[in-house]
Amino acid sequence: GAVVSQHPSWVICKSGTSVKIECRSLDFQATTMFWYRQFPKQSLMLMATSNEGSKATYEQGVEKDKFLINHASLTLSTLTVTSAHPEDSSFYICSASRGAGFLGFNEQFFGPGTRLTVL
Amino acid sequence: ELKVEQNPLFLSMQEGKNYTIYCNYSTTSDRLYWYRQDPGKSLESLFVLLSNGAVKQEGRLMASLDTKARLSTLHITAAVHDLSATYFCAGQYPGTASKLTFGTGTRLQVTL
Repeated sequence: GAVVSQHPSWVICKSGTSVKIECRSLDFQATTMFWYRQFPKQSLMLMATSNEGSKATYEQGVEKDKFLINHASLTLSTLTVTSAHPEDSSFYICSASRGAGFLGFNEQFFGPGTRLTVL
Repeated sequence: ELKVEQNPLFLSMQEGKNYTIYCNYSTTSDRLYWYRQDPGKSLESLFVLLSNGAVKQEGRLMASLDTKARLSTLHITAAVHDLSATYFCAGQYPGTASKLTFGTGTRLQVTL
C-alpha cells in the first residue's frame, strides 16, 4: 500500500514552454501533497504544500506564478512549470500524505520523481 | 523552525567495516525518518522512529532515536557494496501539516 506515481518520469522541453507533471496516490486518498525540487548532490528542497481543494502554500523564495500547483482531487496533484528556462532543470519529486492524522502529522510517501531538462 | 544537520556529508568505507551516520535536529521532533536514495532515483523509506529510545533494524542497518539529545543515528554493520547510496534523515513534528525537514544527506561509498 501507499504507492505514489509520477508522470512523466523524464521530460525534455524547449526554453519558454510549459511542462506539467502529475502526481497520483494510487491506493490511498492523499489529503496533502508536497512538491520538492532536488539539484544534483543536494538535499530535497520543499517547494510547496497542497491540500485537496485549497490553494497551495509555497515556501519562501518559490515563485507562485512560475510553479503552478493544482490539487483537484484526493488522488491527483499537478505541478506546471510555466515558461521554463534552463535554470528550472532539476529533479522534481512529489509526496503524498493521508493528512495530519490524530497526532497532528502523518508519514509522506514519495513518488519516483520527474527529471526535467530545459534546453 | 526545525533544522536538521547530518554528518558526515561523505563517507567512504571498506566492505566489512562498521560506521555511523549522525543526525542532529534543533527543536522537538516527534518523528524521525531515514531514507535511502540511489543515483537518479527517488527516496526509499528505511525507518520511521516515533519515540525516545526507539531502535529499529533492517539487515545491516540500525537506526536509533534519542529525543533528549535530539540525535538520531544510522549504524551500518559490516558494510557491503550494495549499501552505496545517499542517506537522508528528516524530522517531522505536529502542527506543520506533516511537513518534513531534511538533513543535508550523507553520500556513502562502500569500496571493495
